[in-house]
Amino acid sequence: NAGVTQTPKFRILKIGQSMTLQCAQDMNHNYMYWYRQDPGMGLKLIYYSVGAGITDKGEVPNGYNVSRSTTEDFPLRLELAAPSQTSVYFCASSFPTIKNGYTFGSGTRLTVV
Amino acid sequence: DQQVKQNSPSLSVQEGRISILNCDYTNSMFDYFLWYKKYPAEGPTFLISISSIKDKNEDGRFTVFLNKSAKHLSLHIVPSQPGDSAVYFCAASYGGSQGNLIFGKGTKLSVKP
Repeated sequence: NAGVTQTPKFRILKIGQSMTLQCAQDMNHNYMYWYRQDPGMGLKLIYYSVGAGITDKGEVPNGYNVSRSTTEDFPLRLELAAPSQTSVYFCASSFPTIKNGYTFGSGTRLTVV
Repeated sequence: DQQVKQNSPSLSVQEGRISILNCDYTNSMFDYFLWYKKYPAEGPTFLISISSIKDKNEDGRFTVFLNKSAKHLSLHIVPSQPGDSAVYFCAASYGGSQGNLIFGKGTKLSVKP
């Protein structure tokens, strides 16, 4: 049971480049999330999805796009990378109940230069 | 405006003693609170949660206390072990059984042998 798998683990992008951060879960969770963590800060919600075909914006969605075509996968797309998007990105998933929290992936460390 | 605040960036305790991590919140609509632990280069791991209708929840060495009138919660770890050394995040949610989590900035706990 792999849980939540994120790829790649590290990436360096040049300003203006695009990339997709991959996230997959094998726990049959309905809900999936993308967070970013800047140094010394808490996690901030970028986008979330309550099921295949349904996505919604979180606190910091600008500069990102998501899609959810299957229950398992929730990719995050950066179209025009900017230095402000340098961060660690975490994908998470959960059942539709909060009391057992989310299961997080190990993160993708992204640097935009 | 930070809705979930962890005012102590770091805490150091001796092995075997009690660790107390604190968290304050501003939004009285929060109805679920969670604690996560995070090791370097890993994703956050769920520890324990508490509903706003309770004032205490216990799981092994971990106990969370909630004081709604003071908008304050705390995580007690007894006894503390060196393996508990990590960053601890407080998180809160509103919107019933499934609401998006809002995280504090974290407290780095160091447990010294």
